[in-house]
Amino acid sequence: QQQVKQSPQSLIVQKGGISIINCAYENTAFDYFPWYQQFPGKGPALLIAIRPDVSEKKEGRFTISFNKSAKQFSLHIMDSQPGDSATYFCAARPEGKLIFGQGTTLQVKP
Amino acid sequence: DVKVTQSSRYLVKRTGEKVFLECVQDMDHENMFWYRQDPGLGLRLIYFSYDVKMKEKGDIPEGYSVSREKKERFSLILESASTNQTSMYLCASSTELDIQYFGAGTRLSVL
Repeated sequence: QQQVKQSPQSLIVQKGGISIINCAYENTAFDYFPWYQQFPGKGPALLIAIRPDVSEKKEGRFTISFNKSAKQFSLHIMDSQPGDSATYFCAARPEGKLIFGQGTTLQVKP
Repeated sequence: DVKVTQSSRYLVKRTGEKVFLECVQDMDHENMFWYRQDPGLGLRLIYFSYDVKMKEKGDIPEGYSVSREKKERFSLILESASTNQTSMYLCASSTELDIQYFGAGTRLSVL
């Protein structure tokens, strides 16, 4: 019940394409769903986050879609760029801490 | 600018050694966290702390302990390092707003 399952493990997208990463959870008490981006040699950094009272949040080329009934949320990267190549982690919050997904390594080919 | 500093980027230790990983934040955050990152497993929470001298077990605390004597410093201790503790260790801090700020990580190899 405390798990967050993330897929795919790796993703290759052509420049200009759409990257989609999916996450699923079971615990309905989770109340905050962030996405973190990690470049090689760096720690993860917050990219975008959503709360369950909205179904979508957009910031520039990055969009979170949230389906509360299905207990799923996803990250969409529009017009993917080589600079977006990184590892992405979804997460969910129960009681002040975060539970992270397994991570997705995204490679955007020029 | 927000800063979480981990004392070492790379560390090589021998089996059975006592290992200290240090983390310092300069943002006056109450909450601090230690994770380990392994391929295919994501970030797993080892311990966290909501205040000085407070600690809470995370999902994988076995083989680890922590110390928080000052608000800005959170130490992870491997009492007797084992090869299965070879990993990337990440420290983070946060306020109640839940944005966690991470350090660059310490890659620990236990031989």
